[in-house]
Amino acid sequence: GAVVSQHPSWVICKSGTSVKIECRSLDFQATTMFWYRQFPKQSLMLMATSNEGSKATYEQGVEKDKFLINHASLTLSTLTVTSAHPEDSSFYICSARRLAGGHTGELFFGEGSRLTVL
Amino acid sequence: GQNIDQPTEMTATEGAIVQINCTYQTSGFNGLFWYQQHAGEAPTFLSYNVLDGLEEKGRFSSFLSRSKGYSYLLLKELQMKDSASYLCAVMDSNYQLIWGAGTKLIIKP
Repeated sequence: GAVVSQHPSWVICKSGTSVKIECRSLDFQATTMFWYRQFPKQSLMLMATSNEGSKATYEQGVEKDKFLINHASLTLSTLTVTSAHPEDSSFYICSARRLAGGHTGELFFGEGSRLTVL
Repeated sequence: GQNIDQPTEMTATEGAIVQINCTYQTSGFNGLFWYQQHAGEAPTFLSYNVLDGLEEKGRFSSFLSRSKGYSYLLLKELQMKDSASYLCAVMDSNYQLIWGAGTKLIIKP
């Protein structure tokens, strides 16, 4: 099956610093990638939809200046958490949609990145 | 509004069969997904249904009835490693995924 690689898997940073998380589709082109956040014992929450070559679409309540998303190529999207604070500590997951035969296609998820802000 | 309902928790016995239900109300429909998520890990894709009927894939099967806004995931020959959360998600008319809260499945020996 298709592979989506997310890096880093774990990151610990000091409050006020910025952290970049990468999401790559390794064997297919993904025009659309999604970024999710999951707090303990809660469901995934969509943060934003990232379209290659255009600005990301953010969900209501997600600060676009704090969570910078760049989708510069068909295989790479990045999420930068700027000026991170302890409340940003969470599990961040990306997914990429592989279109197949004009259908909606499947979503493939990265391994997730656990961010801990001290 | 958009809504996905699935049971919070279910318990089953190793070797048995369990059915996890999911009902949905969304603005448009472009398919329903089931994902498995072990604690602390990212979800993994299990199935995708866009047409009515049953899709079988090994020990796991998924059923969809669009007219009823209903799906179920059927797990047969349960193994201890099947203990996980099972997430139902519907893709709406804008191709956005609407997620259920997940069903935590506990398998007992």
